[in-house]
Amino acid sequence: GAVVSQHPSWVICKSGTSVKIECRSLDFQATTMFWYRQFPKQSLMLMATSNEGSKATYEQGVEKDKFLINHASLTLSTLTVTSAHPEDSSFYICSASPGRQDGYGYTFGSGTRLTVV
Amino acid sequence: LAKTTQPISMDSYEGQEVNITCSHNNIATNDYITWYQQFPSQGPRFIIQGYKTKVTNEVASLFIPADRKSSTLSLPRVSLSDTAVYYCLVGAAGFQKLVFGTGTRLLVSP
Repeated sequence: GAVVSQHPSWVICKSGTSVKIECRSLDFQATTMFWYRQFPKQSLMLMATSNEGSKATYEQGVEKDKFLINHASLTLSTLTVTSAHPEDSSFYICSASPGRQDGYGYTFGSGTRLTVV
Repeated sequence: LAKTTQPISMDSYEGQEVNITCSHNNIATNDYITWYQQFPSQGPRFIIQGYKTKVTNEVASLFIPADRKSSTLSLPRVSLSDTAVYYCLVGAAGFQKLVFGTGTRLLVSP
């Protein structure tokens, strides 16, 4: 149980275009999801907290107009990288939790490798 | 949010037991301790979670002292496939955001 699906697993886009990444909780409802970014050889950096039915909460230094988050349902959150540039190339990962404290913690998606050329 | 400190890297050989210690001096009363494993180009994978004392599952054990200011992940008889980055995180389950530290890069050699 507690499966999070992320799509696509990789994407290459041209500079200036937008890319949408989907994060779905397959077997549980997630009112809250989290988006992370990871550069090579570095740890995961929390970008924002996605809240179902309300605006996302962004971490300091993350441009909310560039990284648009929509959490329209209890099982789907999307991250749109707008007007992507090469410096946005990174590994993006989402996570969610069914909210139980019984040894499951948070479940992470498999990640999306974004390459902007 | 409790900050965690782990060794940056560790080396081991196949068949050995590996113990990775994490320091979390500011852990809160309702915080759990969770360990994740991450392979390159994959999302982190849940390994084990505990609150106090000892927890064991089919892949690892987690030792937590009474003061809960540290924890130790124990991997018995590691194999080459255990080469990965291991993250220790503390926080309440549910909706609290998780902040990752540097993690420990474990390299298992033949």
